[in-house]
Amino acid sequence: DGGITQSPKYLFRKEGQNVTLSCEQNLNHDAMYWYRQDPGQGLRLIYYSQIVNDFQKGDIAEGYSVSREKKESFPLTVTSAQKNPTAFYLCASSALLDRTQATNEKLFFGSGTQLSVL
Amino acid sequence: GESVGLHLPTLSVQEGDNSIINCAYSNSASDYFIWYKQESGKGPQFIIDIRSNMDKRQGQRVTVLLNKTVKHLSLQIAATQPGDSAVYFCAENTRAGNMLTFGGGTRLMVKP
Repeated sequence: DGGITQSPKYLFRKEGQNVTLSCEQNLNHDAMYWYRQDPGQGLRLIYYSQIVNDFQKGDIAEGYSVSREKKESFPLTVTSAQKNPTAFYLCASSALLDRTQATNEKLFFGSGTQLSVL
Repeated sequence: GESVGLHLPTLSVQEGDNSIINCAYSNSASDYFIWYKQESGKGPQFIIDIRSNMDKRQGQRVTVLLNKTVKHLSLQIAATQPGDSAVYFCAENTRAGNMLTFGGGTRLMVKP
């Protein structure tokens, strides 16, 4: 059963602690993304990766870090520098970068991780 | 700055009626638009997409209309059902590569 798996579903962070959110996909997608969603709001891009061993900052990258050592995995670390980490975090992936193929522009999302501060 | 936005934060409709969710975009360079449905506590699910060389596209019970003249996008849901209750997001693809800019979302509530 192909898809994107995020874990854990719920995560609690203590002050000063770094936490890592997992995202795994078996869709053989090249590109992966992390979005943050605050209550009643839209999605804001944190980081994205178009190819293994490469990633780019999105609109709100401060206080976050990522790695892309494998095509199927794109973990997000919420560092202690992120002072307001409570949010719903969504991972997504898409197939190819060729924008002439409209079907490859669709993002497929995981089920999300709710991060809260203790 | 360029942005995607929605006119109505909450839309309440009677079961069986048609729903129309609207979205305004401001970037004339946008050439691809997509609608997602998000149920509470879940990730967004793809509904339908449209490229800028089209003005209408139909799916199963859903239709997306694109008016480039006024930079307006709408999602029409026919015979709305309780299972359609969710937050609906429009998004546009304007940047190099494959990144979507999302609007703020509209909550659709279906009354039985």
